[in-house]
Order: sequence, then structure tokens, then C-alpha cells
Amino acid sequence: TQLLEQSPQFLSIQEGENLTVYCNSSSVFSSLQWYRQEPGEGPVLLVTVVTGGEVKKLKRLTFQFGDARKDSSLHITAAQPGDTGLYLCAGAGYSTLTFGKGTMLLVSP
Amino acid sequence: EPEVTQTPSHQVTQMGQEVILRCVPISNHLYFYWYRQILGQKVEFLVSFYNNEISEKSEIFDDQFSVERPDGSNFTLKIRSTKLEDSAMYFCASSEWQALSQPQHFGDGTRLSIL
Repeated sequence: TQLLEQSPQFLSIQEGENLTVYCNSSSVFSSLQWYRQEPGEGPVLLVTVVTGGEVKKLKRLTFQFGDARKDSSLHITAAQPGDTGLYLCAGAGYSTLTFGKGTMLLVSP
Repeated sequence: EPEVTQTPSHQVTQMGQEVILRCVPISNHLYFYWYRQILGQKVEFLVSFYNNEISEKSEIFDDQFSVERPDGSNFTLKIRSTKLEDSAMYFCASSEWQALSQPQHFGDGTRLSIL
């Protein structure tokens, strides 16, 4: 069974701070997807990383896939209250996604 | 932007009853999925469906569960005899191609409460 561990589980910061959340596994994934989930809604895809070492930027969000394709990180610069939510990483198999438990981020004004 | 829609948003059912959860995937998508999320736990894969057949299923997807695409637009999950532990959010998702290379688009879920 492939497992994804996300850390920290919960993060509470002030507006304007930077933060990094991590997604680690002992398994190699062909690709890894990051989602954000808000209460009462389904996960919304942020990015897919495919190549080991790949870095993708989405405005203030920077995603990195580890060289060995076992881990990934999400860095947010100058966090805003609108970034509040549950951030999920998911490893992609042929037709499945294996999710981590997520990092709950709270950004206070 | 096209989206996956799920109905109902909340379903309350007595234990032992059958429930059918409905989903309308994005129209040009070929792969369909069901996931569940028990309160406070992670999103768990249940089943994937392609070309009118189950592609993969997890250990959770036992004989009590079935999926169907009864027409060209709906994709349903049936739980034959519900148990208390079936209480969860159930998410439907769809993608143009398999998960390996394509993002999955999720609906907002059906909250299933078993009494």
C-alpha cells in the first residue's frame, strides 16, 4: 500500500508570512498532484508535477517534486487569508489517486 | 467552466437501506471515479470506471457497492445495504484520460449519514 505523509498537519500563521508544507512517501509516484479543499466542497486541483526535480509556480505558490519522485513540497510566499484551506497531495497511479491526510492552513489577517 | 455535479448534497438513510448517489461527470471526460472521506480522515479511493467497466477498485469497494453509467450522462454509486460505517462524504471525479497523466475534477460531494 502506498502511503503519503503530509506535514505539518495544521499550520496557523499571520498574513504576509511564508510557509512550506511537505508530502513524503517511501514509494515512487509517476506523478503527484496538489489539491486544495475548502469546507463543504470537493478537492480542487492546483498543480500536477511529473518529472523528478520539477518546480512549478502558480502565482505565490511554488511546488517542487523531489528528484526521486517520492516527495514534494508546497511553498507559499506572503500568505493571504484567502489561502486558508486544506492542502492535499495525491500520488497518481494508472487510474487511482492516493491522498495524504492534508495540511490545514489558517492564515489570519 | 464545466464541472462535476453530485446529487443529493446530503442523504440521510436508515441502516440496512439501499442508497444511490448520483454524479454527472464533465461531458467529454472518459474516466470516472468515486472516493469517500470519513470525517476527519483522508480521501480514499473506491473505484474507477472506464468504457462501461470497472478499471480498478479498492478493498473498501466490496460486494455491497456497485457502480453504473445508466445513460450517457449519469454515473451512480449504489450501496446495497448500508452500515453505520458507510457514513462519509462521497466524492465523484472525472478525467479526460487516466489519472497518471490527467487531473481529476471533483464534485462537491454527497454527505451520507447512516442512522
